Amino acid sequence: AAGVIQSPRHLIKEKRETATLKCYPIPRHDTVYWYQQGPGQDPQFLISFYEKMQSDKGSIPDRFSAQQFSDYHSELNMSSLELGDSALYFCASRKTGNTEAFFGQGTRLTVV
Amino acid sequence: DAKTTQPTSMDCAEGRAANLPCNHSTISGNEYVYWYRQIHSQGPQYIIHGLKNNETNEMASLIITEDRKSSTLILPHATLRDTAVYYCIVRPYAGGTSYGKLTFGQGTILTVHP
Repeated sequence: AAGVIQSPRHLIKEKRETATLKCYPIPRHDTVYWYQQGPGQDPQFLISFYEKMQSDKGSIPDRFSAQQFSDYHSELNMSSLELGDSALYFCASRKTGNTEAFFGQGTRLTVV
Repeated sequence: DAKTTQPTSMDCAEGRAANLPCNHSTISGNEYVYWYRQIHSQGPQYIIHGLKNNETNEMASLIITEDRKSSTLILPHATLRDTAVYYCIVRPYAGGTSYGKLTFGQGTILTVHP
């Protein structure tokens, strides 16, 4: 079965650079969630989209923005990167009417 | 969303049942109990969920107390590959106004040993 696809899997950026993470949900899933997981921490909710509209917002820094496109894929844009942004970034998708969300394998961002 | 409390860590012998408890004493009537696990920096994996009845699937069983204030996830025959962090999450039914985000708290580190 198709899963949630995230790209790239690994990314190394320098401080103050910009990064874009991509998420391709499971086909026919209309909701996408983004999570950040720092070293030794639990996943923290950042933002979600339903039918291409922002549906919920968590502890997402103002330097980050995200959107969901017409094909339901989503991108997380991160600017002015800081060392503290180094983390695993997970995307999850869900289909309305089904209650469980499925996660991708994540993007490991390292800021140096 | 209701808060959950789980043991920080647990051990289990391979082949034995692993019973992971979760306390959710402030759960409300429209909230489900979900279990996810995360194996060493992989994406969290859905295991099972339930409202008030006990549930079973190919991965695990979920036992919810009658007052719904606590639950237990049971892995009937634990293997080394079940070593992971297990998260118990309480969340409103996603068909309502909530869009179904999961709020991860401190989970239980389950170590299965030979």
